[in-house]
Amino acid sequence: DAKTTQPNSMESNEEEPVHLPCNHSTISGTDYIHWYRQLPSQGPEYVIHGLTSNVNNRMASLAIAEDRKSSTLILHRATLRDAAVYYCILRDRGGKLIFGQGTELSVKP
Amino acid sequence: NAGVTQTPKFRILKIGQSMTLQCTQDMNHNYMYWYRQDPGMGLKLIYYSVGAGITDKGEVPNGYNVSRSTTEDFPLRLELAAPSQTSVYFCASSYDRVGEDQYFGPGTRLLVL
Repeated sequence: DAKTTQPNSMESNEEEPVHLPCNHSTISGTDYIHWYRQLPSQGPEYVIHGLTSNVNNRMASLAIAEDRKSSTLILHRATLRDAAVYYCILRDRGGKLIFGQGTELSVKP
Repeated sequence: NAGVTQTPKFRILKIGQSMTLQCTQDMNHNYMYWYRQDPGMGLKLIYYSVGAGITDKGEVPNGYNVSRSTTEDFPLRLELAAPSQTSVYFCASSYDRVGEDQYFGPGTRLLVL
């Protein structure tokens, strides 16, 4: 299974944009890039996913490098409620999610 | 629409005891999954199911069993509990397998002493 690499932790100020990076140099052509987040004491929550093109939804934006070996999750205006562990995951044709350790995002008021 | 529900929320087991973790979804999803999460770690897939009557192993299936007799239910069975199975267990479901997001339950915290 292809793996992802993320920073262990990041810090942001409230109401500022946050860019969460993810490297996935061994990604295959059919792997989808998924992002989930896990708030304290809760199950993971879907954020966004993409294959080749950049994607936007109400929660975030996903910027995918042209060679697909890296991607960036963008939170446009961080709030205190966005403090969570963010997981970048490659999802293969079998549909299984292989979680790494994720990036713990803290948001300062 | 309750989504994915799990029971119990918390349980303490003695070594060697058995128990079943319940998972139910009301979204008519074909795919269901069981994960475990150890402290400070990401989730690991235990078992998954692509439909009623069909199950398959994930990354860490040893010590667990599953069944899928209906679309809605996907129970996880621990036959002989061991301290290494102390973890938080999450059930999830999705309609399809590729490009579809998974919906997670609130988790079951299990302590084996």
